[in-house]
Amino acid sequence: DAGVTQSPTHLIKTRGQQVTLRCSPKSGHDTVSWYQQALGQGPQFIFQYYEEEERQRGNFPDRFSGHQYPNYSSELNVNALLLGDSALYLCASSFSAGQSSYNEQFFGPGTRLTVL
Amino acid sequence: KNEVEQSPQNLTAQEGEFITINCSYSVGISALHWLQQHPGGGIVSLFMLSSGKKKHGRLIATINIQEKHSSLHITASHPRDSAVYICAATLITGNQFYFGTGTSLTVIP
Repeated sequence: DAGVTQSPTHLIKTRGQQVTLRCSPKSGHDTVSWYQQALGQGPQFIFQYYEEEERQRGNFPDRFSGHQYPNYSSELNVNALLLGDSALYLCASSFSAGQSSYNEQFFGPGTRLTVL
Repeated sequence: KNEVEQSPQNLTAQEGEFITINCSYSVGISALHWLQQHPGGGIVSLFMLSSGKKKHGRLIATINIQEKHSSLHITASHPRDSAVYICAATLITGNQFYFGTGTSLTVIP
């Protein structure tokens, strides 16, 4: 089992561009959560996808959107990039099967996004 | 104010020292987690607690639900323990993480 994988590892974009980050969950997991971690800060919750729908969302603008595919993989899209979007973007997967209670999350290695 | 607060922010210890990292939270939680993040970003889950105490090797995690406080202890610290340790909570209202800002630990040989 490869665990949670993310691509790309690193990415450099310029202000105003759009970016798509990808995440493949751990085998058997059906829920994907995305987090943004600015340098020197703890991660901040962006949103969570389950059954191809956004189930919960943190305090992030609409420029941040996502998608989940039938195979449970997920994408994070960020439009109109700002310098402040430079961060490590972490994906975590878990198994929910419809339950709202917590199940352990496994993290991917992250994608380092730099906006110039 | 963050739902989860950690202290200290930075910690330097000599090899062999006993280390304590503290975490307090202000909301109702379903679980409290201790995570380890090494340079480069990868996060590993160390413990998930909803009550009491858990031990894994030289690591011990405790939680006091009434006081809304948790601690992570490292006994006989080693340079390979150097990492950022993050406390995170999952709330009763949902199952996403709310993270503390992390404690950067450096263990000097």
